[in-house]
Amino acid sequence: QKEVEQNSGPLSVPEGAIASLNCTYSDRGSQSFFWYRQYSGKSPELIMSIYSNGDKEDGRFTAQLNKASQYVSLLIRDSQPSDSATYLCAVLRPGGYNKLIFGAGTRLAVHP
Amino acid sequence: GAVVSQHPSRVICKSGTSVKIECRSLDFQATTMFWYRQFPKKSLMLMATSNEGSKATYEQGVEKDKFLINHASLTLSTLTVTSAHPEDSSFYICSARKFGPRETQYFGPGTRLLVL
Repeated sequence: QKEVEQNSGPLSVPEGAIASLNCTYSDRGSQSFFWYRQYSGKSPELIMSIYSNGDKEDGRFTAQLNKASQYVSLLIRDSQPSDSATYLCAVLRPGGYNKLIFGAGTRLAVHP
Repeated sequence: GAVVSQHPSRVICKSGTSVKIECRSLDFQATTMFWYRQFPKKSLMLMATSNEGSKATYEQGVEKDKFLINHASLTLSTLTVTSAHPEDSSFYICSARKFGPRETQYFGPGTRLLVL
């Protein structure tokens, strides 16, 4: 079992719709969770972090965390073509130097 | 947010040469930085953890004599790809750990290496 799992996609949504990206993780001791966006040929950009169960909203983005289910999600409201990118879920592995463990990423395509 | 820079952004070199990549945290001190590589359409692969003032910690399967890491100051880590070969061609990305109420990592823009 991979430490962080994501559906590779592509996830295709029409412009203006809600895009829902999901991620599961295996280490129950994890406390910090992140969503990064990566455009083709570019490095990852941090868009959301979440540490407590529930929802966290920032503009059009909402991160959801359920530690009991070991599940993290990212909702993008009013999706725009500029949101088309690969979204990486990352979990901070506790202990030592606190490494970020990445999922393989979900490719999102927002079509006009 | 926080700003992390990398230099160079792109490098082309001949097989057998060494290439140095710099990673700088511009507006915060980073005792720990990380080096990743990414092949096309693949996820990030952590290569090593760079610690200021001490030896880097390499992930399993990463040759420490091939990928030399130096973290000489709180804002600078360097990765040197020694005797580069075409299979070393990749996208190398660093990140810097920023401490605060919550720890967060910020990525540099990446360095694209092409070894001919």
